[in-house]
Amino acid sequence: AQSVTQLDSQVPVFEEAPVELRCNYSSSVSVYLFWYVQYPNQGLQLLLKYLSGSTLVKGINGFEAEFNKSQTSFHLRKPSVHISDTAEYFCAVIRNTGGFKTIFGAGTRLFVKA
Amino acid sequence: DAGVIQSPRHEVTEMGQEVTLRCKPISGHDYLFWYRQTMMRGLELLIYFNNNVPIDDSGMPEDRFSAKMPNASFSTLKIQPSEPRDSAVYFCASSLPGEDTQYFGPGTRLTVL
Repeated sequence: AQSVTQLDSQVPVFEEAPVELRCNYSSSVSVYLFWYVQYPNQGLQLLLKYLSGSTLVKGINGFEAEFNKSQTSFHLRKPSVHISDTAEYFCAVIRNTGGFKTIFGAGTRLFVKA
Repeated sequence: DAGVIQSPRHEVTEMGQEVTLRCKPISGHDYLFWYRQTMMRGLELLIYFNNNVPIDDSGMPEDRFSAKMPNASFSTLKIQPSEPRDSAVYFCASSLPGEDTQYFGPGTRLTVL
């Protein structure tokens, strides 16, 4: 079975500062990894995903994430955040051997302050 | 494309009443997922369909919950009878054949009084 742990439930940060949202996963099989973002009163939308290849993945809105197999981590980063990045961010995994059951982490709420 | 469409966006009902949530997936997507989101439990997968057939309903909390997908463009999630602990935001999502990314609808906020 797979599981996802997002280490921070809330991350406050000032505008234009860098941010890192942490995600660790556990799985006995190879997985694909995702970050989704949820803006207030909206559904989730994909930020980026890692399937294979380069461990540094770039997504929308200037976000990137790095897959670290040895540490079973997939941390999300942005060098300079904007007020509009205030949202909830979900890390998720899906096994890459078939099936589409996505396991989501508990979410990290990012507050960007002026 | 209009994206995944869910209705109603908000539903307020009284305990014991039947509630039906509706979802129209993106055209051409053959996977459909129902999720429930609460503060306490986060985002939980309730059930998912492939080509209108339920594949995994292990997340359905109890017999009061049922889901159907009579055709490729429509699905329902029914709660009968509803209870206050069912209050949550319910999301529908769909994905393309062989595609790992899910596309979420805006959700239905259910309040059971």
